[in-house]
This record gives sequence, C-alpha cells and structure tokens, in this order.
Amino acid sequence: GDSVTQMEGPVTLSEEAFLTINCTYTATGYPSLFWYVQYPGEGLQLLLKATKADDKGSNKGFEATYRKETTSFHLEKGSVQVSDSAVYFCALSDGAAGNKLTFGGGTRVLVKP
Amino acid sequence: DTGVSQNPRHKITKRGQNVTFRCDPISEHNRLYWYRQTLGQGPEFLTYFQNEAQLEKSRLLSDRFSAERPKGSFSTLEIQRTEQGDSAMYLCASSLDPASGNTIYFGEGSWLTVV
Repeated sequence: GDSVTQMEGPVTLSEEAFLTINCTYTATGYPSLFWYVQYPGEGLQLLLKATKADDKGSNKGFEATYRKETTSFHLEKGSVQVSDSAVYFCALSDGAAGNKLTFGGGTRVLVKP
Repeated sequence: DTGVSQNPRHKITKRGQNVTFRCDPISEHNRLYWYRQTLGQGPEFLTYFQNEAQLEKSRLLSDRFSAERPKGSFSTLEIQRTEQGDSAMYLCASSLDPASGNTIYFGEGSWLTVV
C-alpha cells in the first residue's frame, strides 16, 4: 500500500536558519504530493503541493520539488521565523487509491529567537 | 468563504457512552473524508464519501464506528460504546470530485477524550 516516511523531530532551529525536512514516499499509482502544516491547537492547513514529476510547490517561503527518480518531496525554507514553529506533515494522494491522503508521521519544528 | 466546520470541537465522555460528531464541508464539495489523529502521529484515514455514497472504509473503522452523509452535504461520525483507545482528534475534510491533485481542505477537528 501507499506510505509516506518523513524525518522524525523535533527539529530545533534558530531564527533565520535553513530548514530541510526530508520526505520519501511509496505509491502504487502516480501520486500528487503535499505538505500540510499544523500550528498549535489548530487543524491542518495546506502549505504547498505538486502534482507531477519535477513540479515545484512553493508558499510562504517554503519550497518542495517532486522528485520521481528518488520518490522524494523534501521541504525547504531558507530563513525560518519563530512563527514557523509547527508540525509539518508530508502526504500523498494517489488516484489509484481514491485520491484519499496518506500522511507521514509529522515533524515538529521549533524555531527559537 | 466558509471552510470545513466541525462540532463539537471538544467532547469528554465516559467509557461506554455513545458520541456523535458533525462535519459541514465546503459547499459544492462532493467528496468528504474522515480521519483520526492521535497525539504525536499523522492523521489516519477512516472513510470517505462521494456525495451520499460511502466508497471506502478503513480497517480502523470498527463495527462501533458508523459514518453517514444522508443528503450528500453534512456528515456525522458516531462512535458507540466508546473505549479509552478512541481518544483522539477526529478530522473531517472535503474536496471537489478529483482529478488527482484537487486540494483536500481540513476542518479544525473534534477532540474526543474518553475517561
């Protein structure tokens, strides 16, 4: 079945540091890939997405590129802020599986001033 | 623009009681999903609807769980004879009929604590 593996946290960074969160996937079909973010006490919000190989999703300074050859979708941000402290979830949506989302376990990021 | 709405947001119940959660999706979204999220974990798929039809149920959805979407709009998730292991956040989400890549929008979740 489909699965998503992402690096375990917590990841603790200083403000303005570079952030990378690794995400790899296994899927039977040709999935779309997503990053969702969950701020403390809130629901999931879509951060960015990519629907085909080599697509780059970007939003709020975050970027991720769909790499089919390495089955990866790593999230990056060049200069994090305290407000980026949250839990980040990598997910895939597989048309062969009804397009429901399959999530990774989440990575908690803590940015210190 | 109203997003996905869930209520109640928090529910504390005694073991053995029944609970029901309601989800109102984004209007015109014909797909509706239920997920469960336990502390420190990613959301796990429970079930989804295409309009009023329930198309898939996860093995996580035991016989004590039932979900309905009677008119293809709002949905309810009922848990009968709750157990402590049911304590989790129950997330509802909706989307347009996919095409792969359609964004799935989540509500803020309903927290269940079984004591």
